[in-house]
Amino acid sequence: ETGVTQSPTHLIKTRGQQVTLRCSSQSGHNTVSWYQQALGQGPQFIFQYYREEENGRGNFPPRFSGLQFPNYSSELNVNALELDDSALYLCASSHNTPESPLHFGNGTRLTVT
Amino acid sequence: DAKTTQPPSMDCAEGRAANLPCNHSTISGNEYVYWYRQIHSQGPQYIIHGLKNNETNEMASLIITEDRKSSTLILPHATLRDTAVYYCTRGANQAGTALIFGKGTTLSVSS
Repeated sequence: ETGVTQSPTHLIKTRGQQVTLRCSSQSGHNTVSWYQQALGQGPQFIFQYYREEENGRGNFPPRFSGLQFPNYSSELNVNALELDDSALYLCASSHNTPESPLHFGNGTRLTVT
Repeated sequence: DAKTTQPPSMDCAEGRAANLPCNHSTISGNEYVYWYRQIHSQGPQYIIHGLKNNETNEMASLIITEDRKSSTLILPHATLRDTAVYYCTRGANQAGTALIFGKGTTLSVSS
């Protein structure tokens, strides 16, 4: 069973640029969630995708957007990067059932300078 | 408020049981309690979850109070590799819902 994989592992961008982060779901999972984790904080929910549509969103501005593909992989796009966007971005996959736990990847460490 | 409350830090001697408490007094009837842990620079690792009944797996045991307002994660024989930040979360993982993470408990296991 292949777990959740994310790429790249580390990334450095300049303020104002755009970035795309990628995630491959664990085998058999059809739902993908993205979280942002600032240093010393717990993960914060960005949004969730199911059947290629966003069906839940946290308190993040529209410049955070995503896609889910037919193979359930996903992308997180962030436009007009700000210094505060520097964080660990985590992808998690699951089944779309009430008790299915999230399974996380090891994240992408984004640094905005 | 969908958050949970946990002590910021706990210590445990290697080989002893680690009991990590969590308060979720506003939990809804359809929400599960999930526990994760995060070792430095890695993604959160799923440990265990439950709705009403106590649960046990190869990693840990989860004790949920009858009123479901609190729970305790038990690591029966803590090892140095159990040193991590432990998160107690709640959610229904239905379409559009999300697990809400607090700051968690930093568990330090020492020899």
